[in-house]
Amino acid sequence: DIVMIQSPDSLAVSLGERATINCKSSQSVLYSSNNKNYLAWYQQKPGQPPKLLIYWASTRESGVPDRFSGSGSGTDFTLTISSLQAEDVAVYYCQQYYSTPYTFGQGTNLEIK
Amino acid sequence: QVQLQESGPGLVKPSETLSLTCTVSGGSVSSGSYYWSWIRQPPGKGLEWIGYIYYSGSTNYNPSLKSRVTISVDTSKNQFSLRLSSVTAADTAVYFCAREEEFYFDYWGQGTLVTVSS
Repeated sequence: DIVMIQSPDSLAVSLGERATINCKSSQSVLYSSNNKNYLAWYQQKPGQPPKLLIYWASTRESGVPDRFSGSGSGTDFTLTISSLQAEDVAVYYCQQYYSTPYTFGQGTNLEIK
Repeated sequence: QVQLQESGPGLVKPSETLSLTCTVSGGSVSSGSYYWSWIRQPPGKGLEWIGYIYYSGSTNYNPSLKSRVTISVDTSKNQFSLRLSSVTAADTAVYFCAREEEFYFDYWGQGTLVTVSS
């Protein structure tokens, strides 16, 4: 199984400031034949299902604010929120879909400082 | 707008079989463009993929659960289902159904809490 490790586990950022969450996979999730990284990011608020934010490591899902961006390749990835809003308080998960079993990071709890 | 809704018992006794159904609306489980997955989340913990099914009936299960899991599809009812046998307290979780678009999950149900307890 591909192990996904996120850092940090918890993060407190002031409103309007940048938030950065990292995700590292135990093996590359870059598929060489199409040069795509099989990596997604989700946002989960209490009592709700996860919401897809980013797929293919850097493609924003329709309707997701452009303050959310994804970057990285191979084994190291980053989710950046450029200017934190109150509604961004949530737990964020990365997920690899390069191979089954699909696996998720342990989650990063993002709070307001 | 695609919607998924889980249904089934919220309480299951140890050693028995957990059975859940996901009803899809606004889309078709018969679409060849998608796979249909089950994912679970123990209270206060992270996400675990259980497995998926394609409309043809082909399946792929997480090896950690494979011996106990069966996922099936009923295209006439636009539903897919999960059965997990020989449950223990470790299977207590919120169970989500989700649609796979090119392997990532773009639509999720609201989730249903299943508690394993006598």
